[in-house]
Amino acid sequence: GPKVLQIPSHQIIDMGQMVTLNCDPVSNHLYFYWYKQILGQQMEFLVNFYNGKVMEKSKLFKDQFSVERPDGSYFTLKIQPTALEDSAVYFCASSFGSNSDYTFGSGTRLLVI
Amino acid sequence: GQQVQQSPASLVLQEGENAELQCNFSSTATQLQWFYQSPGGSLVSLLSNPSGTKHTGRLTSTTVTKERRSSLHISSSQTTDSGTYLCAIGANSGTYQRFGTGTKLQVVP
Repeated sequence: GPKVLQIPSHQIIDMGQMVTLNCDPVSNHLYFYWYKQILGQQMEFLVNFYNGKVMEKSKLFKDQFSVERPDGSYFTLKIQPTALEDSAVYFCASSFGSNSDYTFGSGTRLLVI
Repeated sequence: GQQVQQSPASLVLQEGENAELQCNFSSTATQLQWFYQSPGGSLVSLLSNPSGTKHTGRLTSTTVTKERRSSLHISSSQTTDSGTYLCAIGANSGTYQRFGTGTKLQVVP
């Protein structure tokens, strides 16, 4: 079936540096999401994005986080600057409609050192 | 905030046995979805079931909205069913904002 691709699959970065996580959503999907999962813990919602705008965000979506999808290219999550507690697996998902099934990517494993 | 509790936390079955997984949530949910998370970490949507009973293949989900609970029944389990089953809920917006703690299922031959 259609897939969501996340690039890179793994990233190690020095604390304080900027990182951009890339997501290539399913081509006809209109809603995009980022979730964060710390090893062994629950999946946590970060943000959703539709029509070029953030629709909802959680308390975890700190000021250091930003999302965009310029001209229908990758849907990106940027963290600037990174902190140690940002180490986690970040999952991207997309859906056609707001109540449609999600398609998840395989995640980007981010390690901030 | 909303809490989502799943039980059991882990379950070991012999191949062919049935599994019953539970999800309880603390406040009203207009969306509820069951997901499968593979040992490698990727997630797959299994069933969207905010109310009533739904079937797909060997999976049956029953959600009693006013009692804030949902169950996922897996019949005739297979070793490939091994992984973590997550319940996620949302309210009104369509976004799954809360995921449960998961049930880790292991099916042995």
